[in-house]
Amino acid sequence: DGGITQSPKYLFRKEGQNVTLSCEQNLNHDAMYWYRQDPGQGLRLIYYSQIVNDFQKGDIAEGYSVSREKKESFPLTVTSAQKNPTAFYLCASIQGANQPQHFGDGTRLSIL
Amino acid sequence: AQTVTQSQPEMSVQEAETVTLSCTYDTSESDYYLFWYKQPPSRQMILVIRQEAYKQQNATENRFSVNFQKAAKSFSLKISDSQLGDAAMYFCAYRTMNSGNTPLVFGKGTRLSVIA
Repeated sequence: DGGITQSPKYLFRKEGQNVTLSCEQNLNHDAMYWYRQDPGQGLRLIYYSQIVNDFQKGDIAEGYSVSREKKESFPLTVTSAQKNPTAFYLCASIQGANQPQHFGDGTRLSIL
Repeated sequence: AQTVTQSQPEMSVQEAETVTLSCTYDTSESDYYLFWYKQPPSRQMILVIRQEAYKQQNATENRFSVNFQKAAKSFSLKISDSQLGDAAMYFCAYRTMNSGNTPLVFGKGTRLSVIA
């Protein structure tokens, strides 16, 4: 079955450490997205990529970085510059503006 | 920039009753899509229903229907015959129709509880 796989499901970060969240899709979708979810805040856009080797900042990009070297992969790095990284992170993809976004199952990131 | 507002942080409904979740949005565009997503405790995001702005007819999916008022920029979700499995966070979302795979803009969500 086609879908989006996020890993790991749970991740812990030590002070000053960079961590990378994986997002892989086998839907052959051009566009991929990263959202952060905090209680009472809904889903906020971190970064998105509409094609390979191109990406744009979302509303809360500071402290995060991404790459899009392959169509199926869009990893998110949470850098040490992100001072409040504890949140639930969702990856999504889409092919066509009239289509709904497909979502992965998310990664819960916590501080040690 | 477009914004989506869900004014009810929490709602509750008795099992088998009907509940309506509110959503308003702000946009200067005439063509766009609107969505309702459900996020149960598993935290999966599940599409409930979607509406194209150019369609006057309100979308329905089984027990779920919307009341789309384009002039008022309102997009409420009605859940009929509520079931325990409907308990979840519900997010309203907007996407422009005008430029490719632009991201969805989400509201902050409404937490729905279903009382047995």
